[in-house]
Amino acid sequence: GQQLNQSPQSMFIQEGEDVSMNCTSSSIFNTWLWYKQEPGEGPVLLIALYKAGELTSNGRLTAQFGITRKDSFLNISASIPSDVGIYFCAGQLNGGATNKLIFGTGTLLAVQP
Amino acid sequence: DAGVTQSPTHLIKTRGQHVTLRCSPISGHKSVSWYQQVLGQGPQFIFQYYEKEERGRGNFPDRFSARQFPNYSSELNVNALLLGDSALYLCASSRILSQGEQYFGPGTRLTVT
Repeated sequence: GQQLNQSPQSMFIQEGEDVSMNCTSSSIFNTWLWYKQEPGEGPVLLIALYKAGELTSNGRLTAQFGITRKDSFLNISASIPSDVGIYFCAGQLNGGATNKLIFGTGTLLAVQP
Repeated sequence: DAGVTQSPTHLIKTRGQHVTLRCSPISGHKSVSWYQQVLGQGPQFIFQYYEKEERGRGNFPDRFSARQFPNYSSELNVNALLLGDSALYLCASSRILSQGEQYFGPGTRLTVT
């Protein structure tokens, strides 16, 4: 099935470091979503972006909707151990018959205390 | 408010059997979507239902079917199970079809032996 390209695939960082990850697509989306998934659980919505160029924050997390509408970025500042998990981007073409999500391949984040 | 709930949490089936998975959306949400997540990958869209009507279907065989009930809960049915159907099955709900944000349940872990 279709998946968006996410990079990096994994990150191993020290507590307190900043993290950046991105997601690219060959298709245009009009909504970008970022989720975090921990082992044995469903994805948890972190941030939703609705306009090209939009920059949105949620605590230490900041995400941006790329100008081309084909990419999105997520930054985590001052990482802490509880940031550990897999981060997924998801693109969406809503307004039509369905608002299905197309997910990225995921970025595994490990934070060492 | 309670989040999206799914049952059962875990299930072990034999090849050729069928399975029914259940989902209750967040109160007030009218749309339910089903996703399959194979280990190491992002979720893949299977179905979306809104107001009891199928609004979208992903690239899955006819062995997969679903329905939505008047109370907006939903069932996913899979017939003639294959080993490759082993995965985490996720349900997501959204308030309306045009809303981007989808909220996921904890998933049902299906193992086919």
